[in-house]
Amino acid sequence: DAGVTQSPTHLIKTRGQQVTLRCSPKSGHDTVSWYQQALGQGPQFIFQYYEEEERQRGNFPDRFSGHQFPNYSSELNVNALLLGDSALYLCASSNLGADSYEAFFGQGTRLTVV
Amino acid sequence: AQSVTQPDIHITVSEGASLELRCNYSYGATPYLFWYVQSPGQGLQLLLKYFSGDTLVQGIKGFEAEFKRSQSSFNLRKPSVHWSDAAEYFCAVGPFGSGTASKLTFGTGTRLQVTL
Repeated sequence: DAGVTQSPTHLIKTRGQQVTLRCSPKSGHDTVSWYQQALGQGPQFIFQYYEEEERQRGNFPDRFSGHQFPNYSSELNVNALLLGDSALYLCASSNLGADSYEAFFGQGTRLTVV
Repeated sequence: AQSVTQPDIHITVSEGASLELRCNYSYGATPYLFWYVQSPGQGLQLLLKYFSGDTLVQGIKGFEAEFKRSQSSFNLRKPSVHWSDAAEYFCAVGPFGSGTASKLTFGTGTRLQVTL
């Protein structure tokens, strides 16, 4: 079992550009959540995708959007990048119907905006 | 709104010494509580979780945590720390019911340094 995989590992973008991050969930999981972890901070919930729809959203602007595909993989898109978007972006997968209530995290994508 | 407070930003302990990392939460009902560990440049690994029942929960790597409702606390403990335990530790709270695992509120973390 490959666990949760994210790509790319590192990314450097310029202010104003757009970026797409990708996540493949752990086998058997149907729910993907995205978190932003700024340097020295705890992860902050961005949004959750289940059945190809955004189900819950944290306090993030509309510049942050996502998608979930039929195979449960997911993308996070950020438009009009700001310097403050520099962070580690973590993907977590889980099974919405399971009673284990456990989220498995990927290694993250380190985004640097210059 | 729920929140998690980890009052200790940085803790240093000697190898073999005991450890306690503090976590206080604010939540309107009984929350689901978690402790995660993050090594440098890595994702998060679940150490343990509490949903209900016995308030002392055992996790991986010899860690345990105790839920104290009266104090709104969920402190993490380990009797004897190993050098490999040096990492960042995060306490998190999730809403009751399905979907808990996917929407977590994290504290700001405690960085643990272990001296030999």
